[in-house]
Amino acid sequence: QQQVKQSPQSLIVQKGGISIINCAYENTAFDYFPWYQQFPGKGPALLIAIRPDVSEKKEGRFTISFNKSAKQFSLHIMDSQPGDSATYFCAASKDNTGKLIFGQGTTLQVKP
Amino acid sequence: DAGITQSPRHKVTETGTPVTLRCHQTENHRYMYWYRQDPGHGLRLIHYSYGVKDTDKGEVSDGYSVSRSKTEDFLLTLESATSSQTSVYFCAISVEDRSSGTGELFFGEGSRLTVL
Repeated sequence: QQQVKQSPQSLIVQKGGISIINCAYENTAFDYFPWYQQFPGKGPALLIAIRPDVSEKKEGRFTISFNKSAKQFSLHIMDSQPGDSATYFCAASKDNTGKLIFGQGTTLQVKP
Repeated sequence: DAGITQSPRHKVTETGTPVTLRCHQTENHRYMYWYRQDPGHGLRLIHYSYGVKDTDKGEVSDGYSVSRSKTEDFLLTLESATSSQTSVYFCAISVEDRSSGTGELFFGEGSRLTVL
């Protein structure tokens, strides 16, 4: 039972382009939706997070778009850079506990 | 790194042997978690702790036990390791942002376990 589905599995983008990663969830009780970035050999690190009372949140080049009715949320990376090459995970939880349900992950490669 | 240290960082063991992974934190946070990471599955919660001697099961707890006798240490034990437990194990702590009421998870650098 996969409560959070993430796509695509891998993504190749040219430098300066927009990277878009999508996630869909099933449990309407989820109320916290973070995105994590992970570099090889390291633990995941929180990138940006959103709650369902807003439809969009932007931090620098990173934006989360949230569609409550469709039960979907997405990460947009504007002006993608080679240093953004990493694996990205979406996640969801109820009551903002650390009991996160993660998506399967997306490996992003930004070509120079 | 939020003061999280995992040990060992790498371990190779035989099927049927016991294995203990240790997570140590230096900042006295109440909530600690063990996740495993496998290709195609993302990260999945094994067990978590909300205080000394207070632990509970996560999504994939079968075959694992945990203990927390001190605030700073959270141990994950595989009583009899199996090949299906070959994985990368991550410890995490929750740091609460009092202004927003949100709790951000900080992860350690992981322990890679191979069960032959």
